[in-house]
Amino acid sequence: QKEVEQNSGPLSVPEGAIASLNCTYSDRVSQSFFWYRQYSGKSPELIMSIYSNGDKEDGRFTAQLNKASQYVSLLIRDSQPSDSATYLCAVNMIVETSGSRLTFGEGTQLTVNP
Amino acid sequence: KAGVTQTPRYLIKTRGQQVTLSCSPISGHRSVSWYQQTPGQGLQFLFEYFSETQRNKGNFPGRFSGRQFSNSRSEMNVSTLELGDSALYLCASSLRPQGSFIYGYTFGSGTRLTVV
Repeated sequence: QKEVEQNSGPLSVPEGAIASLNCTYSDRVSQSFFWYRQYSGKSPELIMSIYSNGDKEDGRFTAQLNKASQYVSLLIRDSQPSDSATYLCAVNMIVETSGSRLTFGEGTQLTVNP
Repeated sequence: KAGVTQTPRYLIKTRGQQVTLSCSPISGHRSVSWYQQTPGQGLQFLFEYFSETQRNKGNFPGRFSGRQFSNSRSEMNVSTLELGDSALYLCASSLRPQGSFIYGYTFGSGTRLTVV
């Protein structure tokens, strides 16, 4: 089982729709969760972070966390063509002997069609 | 405020050679992590440094090494390059190590390494 799994893509939505990106993780004691956006040929850019169960909203983005289900999601409302990118879920996982490290899923490629 | 700076942006090396990549973190950031990104494996954690000490290491062979200097700048070295080492190498900085859990990383633009 992969430590961080994202829903397989690619995902295609029409402009103005809601894009839903999902992520599950294996380490029950993980404490913090991040969503990164990566445009083709660019480096990842942090867009959302969430640490507590529930929803966190920032503009058109909403991150949702359910620690009991070990599930994190990202909703993008009113999707725009400029949102077309690969979205990476990252989980801060506990490392037994040396603290923690950030583990990434393989990413979901999102295309927003005009 | 300057971002994370990685040099060089592109490198072409021959199998068997070694390479050194450089990373300057955001001013005030003391934690530097390195990742390897390939189409098949995604983002794989290499190592994390804080205050010149390696705190975490990923599952990479000993050919991959790194260090951090007193000004928080970091270098990673790959010896005896193999074709499979061709990848985008990303450096990321944070105020503190990930053990403090609330800080995300800011990534540099990466170094694209091609081994021929």
